[in-house]
Amino acid sequence: ETGVTQSPTHLIKTRGQQVTLRCSSQSGHNTVSWYQQALGQGPQFIFQYYREEENGRGNFPPRFSGLQFPNYSSELNVNALELDDSALYLCASSVDPGQSNTEAFFGQGTRLTVV
Amino acid sequence: QKEVEQDPGPLSVPEGAIVSLNCTYSNSAFQYFMWYRQYSRKGPELLMYTYSSGNKEDGRFTAQVDKSSKYISLFIRDSQPSDSATYLCAMSADSSNTGKLIFGQGTTLQVKP
Repeated sequence: ETGVTQSPTHLIKTRGQQVTLRCSSQSGHNTVSWYQQALGQGPQFIFQYYREEENGRGNFPPRFSGLQFPNYSSELNVNALELDDSALYLCASSVDPGQSNTEAFFGQGTRLTVV
Repeated sequence: QKEVEQDPGPLSVPEGAIVSLNCTYSNSAFQYFMWYRQYSRKGPELLMYTYSSGNKEDGRFTAQVDKSSKYISLFIRDSQPSDSATYLCAMSADSSNTGKLIFGQGTTLQVKP
């Protein structure tokens, strides 16, 4: 098991609601990346946070937003939920971006179902 | 067209077989190439990564990258039932292998005893 923990593990929300997902990074890591994995698909990059600043964003609308805290844990917020937002949300923690010969460790994910 | 293409399978092989998994890509800026394994209800775990072209071996696993053909492969020798999982290729054009990763769809592998 990695040291990356995500909460909650599962949740069900209604279309139009807002949701907050949480991720605690592995000890010694200061970078968190978020991915969305739809059923039967590979993960898609949402954004990355490094030392509390956004450090790159994928092709997701502004209703997907994030935060990173001084202890390097992170939140993913999704507003105005749509049915297509139903997916497994993964966070990955790593050390400084740009450092080679490293690895991003993934958490187990949060399974979000929008009804 | 997706940046990374991967046959979703499923692929079913008998125990002990050699497994070949492949991905093609279109972005010539990719320089880090990774293979992840994902068990059901788990997050992906890194198996191997390669920088630029070449081969890399780790136990029963061998990764190959051919940048001229934009084609990467993962070979699994002496496959075991515990290898049954989804295998994801991932690539990055960043200066490390922990930046924005572009994943393939994943190939589901079943190794039958």
